[in-house]
Amino acid sequence: GAVVSQHPSWVICKSGTSVKIECRSLDFQATTMFWYRQFPKQSLMLMATSNEGSKATYEQGVEKDKFLINHASLTLSTLTVTSAHPEDSSFYICSATPGGDTIYFGEGSWLTVV
Amino acid sequence: GDSVTQMEGPVTLSEEAFLTINCTYTATGYPSLFWYVQYPGEGLQLLLKATKADDKGSNKGFEATYRKETTSFHLEKGSVQVSDSAVYFCALNSGGSNYKLTFGKGTLLTVNP
Repeated sequence: GAVVSQHPSWVICKSGTSVKIECRSLDFQATTMFWYRQFPKQSLMLMATSNEGSKATYEQGVEKDKFLINHASLTLSTLTVTSAHPEDSSFYICSATPGGDTIYFGEGSWLTVV
Repeated sequence: GDSVTQMEGPVTLSEEAFLTINCTYTATGYPSLFWYVQYPGEGLQLLLKATKADDKGSNKGFEATYRKETTSFHLEKGSVQVSDSAVYFCALNSGGSNYKLTFGKGTLLTVNP
């Protein structure tokens, strides 16, 4: 079964509103989680590294005030897209590691902003 | 910077056909190379990996060989099954954090009975 779960799988929101996506590690504690985004016909791109108990590390070009990441516990990281616009519509996926070389990915979340 | 280029899809094959999905990369240093697979409704799963030149990763009948001279890591399977229908992602990690991966665009494979 899944060891990393994302919720929701699909979400539609109105332009200007905020939407939160959760990433949970089910069977292990994850001090580090990662958030990726994939636009149609593009590669999965790393957005940020989420560190438990500290601020996230964002990749170049990713607006940290727009994509708020909170890693409040060892099993949960959340990505909040603030003041969403249609161009934020994308596939968002998280990954988490229990340590070592093992990485588990969530199922992904489809966001559509209308 | 690092990049991964993989074959555009979608790819549609009949059961028992031979599969090749091409993947080439650009990276500094000596990256580790990966193929991930995403079945419908599921998360990405590691399919196979290779960490140095000439290594062959294999799993579930899939194989890929790390070719430094051609900077390639093509995925192959001799006889595909309907259950292999999924999206396949080529990826690399060129050092630093073990977990920061650079992905290709993904290739959708559909296998018909």
